Amino acid sequence: EAAVTQSPRNKVTVTGGNVTLSCRQTNSHNYMYWYRQDTGHGLRLIHYSYGAGNLQIGDVPDGYKATRTTQEDFFLLLELASPSQTSLYFCASSDDSQNTLYFGAGTRLSVL
Amino acid sequence: GDSVTQTEGPVTVSESESLIINCTYSATSIAYPNLFWYVRYPGEGLQLLLKVITAGQKGSSRGFEATYNKETTSFHLQKASVQESDSAVYYCALGDNNAPRFGAGTKLSVKP
Repeated sequence: EAAVTQSPRNKVTVTGGNVTLSCRQTNSHNYMYWYRQDTGHGLRLIHYSYGAGNLQIGDVPDGYKATRTTQEDFFLLLELASPSQTSLYFCASSDDSQNTLYFGAGTRLSVL
Repeated sequence: GDSVTQTEGPVTVSESESLIINCTYSATSIAYPNLFWYVRYPGEGLQLLLKVITAGQKGSSRGFEATYNKETTSFHLQKASVQESDSAVYYCALGDNNAPRFGAGTKLSVKP
């Protein structure tokens, strides 16, 4: 069964703090994605990648960096966290068809 | 860009009643996008419920069904008789050869 693991599951930080969200997939998928989920907005695409070292800009990239270090690992970095980045973050992976995404359980981030 | 609009929630129905969650899409980058319904149960990540990649076709899973209507650019989700276990958040999504885009999600609560 496809597996996508996110860590941490919950994170609290302060404004201006530095946060790294981690995602690992064991599906041998090339594509990985970061989305944020906010009430009234649904899932919005932050960044995605189609392989190690590759990064594609999503729809809401401001304030976020991402890095794909290996096929398995995709990190989302918030270098100066702001309260507007309080959200539920989902990572996902897919094969090259992008027809089915496999999601992690989510990371709930609070920026105080 | 491509986008998806779906029924605003929350939606509350009684067990054994019928359900329809509306979804319409706008695809500017591709003539025939792939269309999906995902579901998120409490505490879990999203999982694929059904998908249709050919206009005019119907997809079905777990008693839910949706028909890809190119003329009305719609992909409504229907179920004839809901169960309490169907309580979840439902997301309509569009795939356009880039990262999939999602609607805002519709929270469904089924009363016993």
